[in-house]
Amino acid sequence: DTAVSQTPKYLVTQMGNDKSIKCEQNLGHDTMYWYKQDSKKFLKIMFSYNNKELIINETVPNRFSPKSPDKAHLNLHINSLELGDSAVYFCASSPRQGAGRDTGELFFGEGSRLTVL
Amino acid sequence: GENVEQHPSTLSVQEGDSAVIKCTYSDSASNYFPWYKQELGKRPQLIIDIRSNVGEKKDQRIAVTLNKTAKHFSLHITETQPEDSAVYFCAASFSGGYNKLIFGAGTRLAVHP
Repeated sequence: DTAVSQTPKYLVTQMGNDKSIKCEQNLGHDTMYWYKQDSKKFLKIMFSYNNKELIINETVPNRFSPKSPDKAHLNLHINSLELGDSAVYFCASSPRQGAGRDTGELFFGEGSRLTVL
Repeated sequence: GENVEQHPSTLSVQEGDSAVIKCTYSDSASNYFPWYKQELGKRPQLIIDIRSNVGEKKDQRIAVTLNKTAKHFSLHITETQPEDSAVYFCAASFSGGYNKLIFGAGTRLAVHP
């Protein structure tokens, strides 16, 4: 009954490869996010989807492509992996969005640790 | 720009002491300020939050204060315990169509028995 689940938890791959991380939430939330946490623990927003629509794109390299097939799922595909992509990627969801409304609590998944060799 | 600054980056206290972490934000329109705790190898989890219509909020040993004029907010933990050891993140909600949470750089709190 995990609220926000990500797969895989660990991913080790070579430079230049393409990889995907999947995320699913069973909380009925409309909004989902991808955050990147680097080795210094800094949490940086990458993307956000609201009801399958991309609403936030934080000038992430276009090697990163999010996809939301439905509002319960948000996947992240990364092409041509680079050393600097090594990080923990957190998926999150929140129940509220829209003009004048704040995000409310973010519910994070367990994270996917990506190591690029 | 959208910025949240957090201090200190590390904090070491003795069990039973108080700990204070401070954050400042750049957008005067920000209206939501949560605090997250991240234990080693775990996900960030919300511990307390405050909205701009309130100046202070308390939940047992933790409290958050907000000064909208100065654009800063603080987390106070009293009677610290070893299990409070973790990285704490402040965040502020930035508007512009759709809101997003921008996080501070984190404070690593160590509580020594």
